[in-house]
Amino acid sequence: EAQVTQNPRYLITVTGKKLTVTCSQNMNHEYMSWYRQDPGLGLRQIYYSMNVEVTDKGDVPEGYKVSRKEKRNFPLILESPSPNQTSLYFCASSAGTGQPQHFGDGTRLSIL
Amino acid sequence: GEDVEQSLFLSVREGDSSVINCTYTDSSSTYLYWYKQEPGAGLQLLTYIFSNMDMKQDQRLTVLLNKKDKHLSLRIADTQTGDSAIYFCAETPTASKLTFGTGTRLQVTL
Repeated sequence: EAQVTQNPRYLITVTGKKLTVTCSQNMNHEYMSWYRQDPGLGLRQIYYSMNVEVTDKGDVPEGYKVSRKEKRNFPLILESPSPNQTSLYFCASSAGTGQPQHFGDGTRLSIL
Repeated sequence: GEDVEQSLFLSVREGDSSVINCTYTDSSSTYLYWYKQEPGAGLQLLTYIFSNMDMKQDQRLTVLLNKKDKHLSLRIADTQTGDSAIYFCAETPTASKLTFGTGTRLQVTL
C-alpha cells in the first residue's frame, strides 16, 4: 500500500530535549516536505526536499533541521525544542515538484 | 502576498449540496487542490484542477475555477454525514511550494 509513515504519532517532551520525527514513503517519490498545522493558521511549510541531498527552507524553518540521505526518508529534527513548537506536524511526498502531495497521518508534538 | 482565504464554517443538511469557496492570490499557480481532513487524520487529496481548466467533475465533487477572480470552489452533491470534515484549498505559487488556506469546517446535519 502506497503510504507516508510518520513516527511517533504523539510525543510529549520538555524544552531543550532534542527530538526527531521520522518520515518514510514507499512510493519512490522525489519530493518530500514538512508542514506544521496550527489553529487559525492552516498548514505552513517548514522545509522541503526536491531530491536526495537537496533541502530548502519553507516559510517557517526556524528551530528545525532536516536531512535527506536516502530517497525514502526525510526526518525532521528539533535540536532544542521550545513550547512554541507545540503543534501538529505533517510530512508529505509527491512524484515531483508541482505534483499532488500525499500526506502522512500527522505527529502531535507537545513541548512543555 | 500568498494568502489563501476560506470561510471557517459551513453547515448543510444531509442530502443537500455543499459549496465551499476559496480565494487565492497567485495567478501563476499551476495546480489548485482540495484536501479533506477528518478528525485525528492526515490530509487526504480529494481532487485538483489544472489552471487552464474551468471545471472538473469527479463523481459527487465538482471543482470550479474562475482565474479572473482567483476564485476556486468545491461543490459536494448529495452531502452525507461522512463528508463532515475540514476542507483545505491549496495553491502552488512555485513548483516546490503548496500554500494552504485556513480550512473550512463542514458540518452535516440530519
